[in-house]
Amino acid sequence: EVQLLESGGGLVQPGGSLRLSCAASGLTFSSYAMSWVRQVPGKGLEWVSIISGSAASTYYADSVKGRFTISRDNSKNTMYLQMNNLRAEDTAVYYCAKGGVAAAGTGRYGMDVWGQGTTVTVSS
Amino acid sequence: QSVLTQPPSVSAAPGQKVTISCSGSTSNIGNNFVSWYQQVPGTAPKLLNYDNNKRPSGIPDRFSGSKSGTSATLDITGLQTGDEADYYCAIWDSSLSAWVFGGGTKLTVL
Repeated sequence: EVQLLESGGGLVQPGGSLRLSCAASGLTFSSYAMSWVRQVPGKGLEWVSIISGSAASTYYADSVKGRFTISRDNSKNTMYLQMNNLRAEDTAVYYCAKGGVAAAGTGRYGMDVWGQGTTVTVSS
Repeated sequence: QSVLTQPPSVSAAPGQKVTISCSGSTSNIGNNFVSWYQQVPGTAPKLLNYDNNKRPSGIPDRFSGSKSGTSATLDITGLQTGDEADYYCAIWDSSLSAWVFGGGTKLTVL
């Protein structure tokens, strides 16, 4: 069974930094693109970033471009999201999600496994 | 405001059928694959449909997706109280190089 487990959330001041982790098990990690998706409580889903299986390709939502960096360590079956210059509007539950193939630039297979989420609160 | 438009809410009685729409344009739905997600309050989203109309293993055939032109729909038949959730359509927009989610539809089973 494929499982994803996020960690690293917490309370941070505006302008601060935080690094989220997503540990995967039960799969050949490098064979799949991975995404971060966030959700403000009571609001809809917002895609944040995606990284291909080999880490050669990364894409970001305009709202986080230049502030967030996605990465992965396939030897550790773990994906990361480095979040810098955090703003109040970044406050959300952050989910990691697995793609259906290694390529980042296809939506054909959807995001088929999701973690339980980790909460990020940006507040002074 | 998402470029994929969903009705904020739909409702129906147990056993009935409900249709959730996802409206877009040629540049988004028209040229990309649609997937659908179910999110029961307090839990993570779950993939219901991918590649416009395919179900992952373990998803009942009560959940049926389709796409025509610039719109997609998710039909749920034989409604159960456990189907009460928020439902989202999504695409990988190849012109934006970004995933885009619809605004979500809250399903109430009366």
